[in-house]
Amino acid sequence: RKEVEQDPGPFNVPEGATVAFNCTYSNSASQSFFWYRQDCRKEPKLLMSVYSSGNEDGRFTAQLNRASQYISLLIRDSKLSDSATYLCVVNPGNAGNMLTFGGGTRLMVKP
Amino acid sequence: GAGVSQSPSNKVTEKGKDVELRCDPISGHTALYWYRQSLGQGLEFLIYFQGNSAPDKSGLPSDRFSAERTGGSVSTLTIQRTQQEDSAVYLCASSLAGDRVKYFGPGTRLTVT
Repeated sequence: RKEVEQDPGPFNVPEGATVAFNCTYSNSASQSFFWYRQDCRKEPKLLMSVYSSGNEDGRFTAQLNRASQYISLLIRDSKLSDSATYLCVVNPGNAGNMLTFGGGTRLMVKP
Repeated sequence: GAGVSQSPSNKVTEKGKDVELRCDPISGHTALYWYRQSLGQGLEFLIYFQGNSAPDKSGLPSDRFSAERTGGSVSTLTIQRTQQEDSAVYLCASSLAGDRVKYFGPGTRLTVT
């Protein structure tokens, strides 16, 4: 079983739609959680951290369920520019804060 | 300010040759990480440097892979006797000590023919 699992997609949605991605992680001792965005042939960039209480940044809402060990990302009012791969990322709490990445979920927003 | 930079951006090499990939972290970042991303795959951790401490090499896939970090700044990842399965994008990231947020460079796309 992979340490961080995501549905690879692609999710094809029309502009303006609401779309949600889920991610599960296997290490219950994991300490911090993130969503990164990766555009085609580009490096990953931090989209947002994920907090236990849930957090929102504009059209993006992230939630964490520690009991079930899953993380979600909700995108409202999708824009064409949201098309990218969304990486679920977990810090399992190792000494070096090395991150463990999911394989990513590809989103394609169409006109 | 300047982000993480990597060079070369693309490298094509013949099987069996050695390659060196370079990473310049963000100034002041003491933690430096190498990851690789194969086509359609997630990021795979390779090696981690923190200040002057011994590096964590637990992710290196074989003894053909090595890395150095000189002066606590620039890092070089060396792959000896390259194989076709080494073809991937090699990403470098840096962060402040203890900071869980990592900033990635644009990567080096390595193709072994």
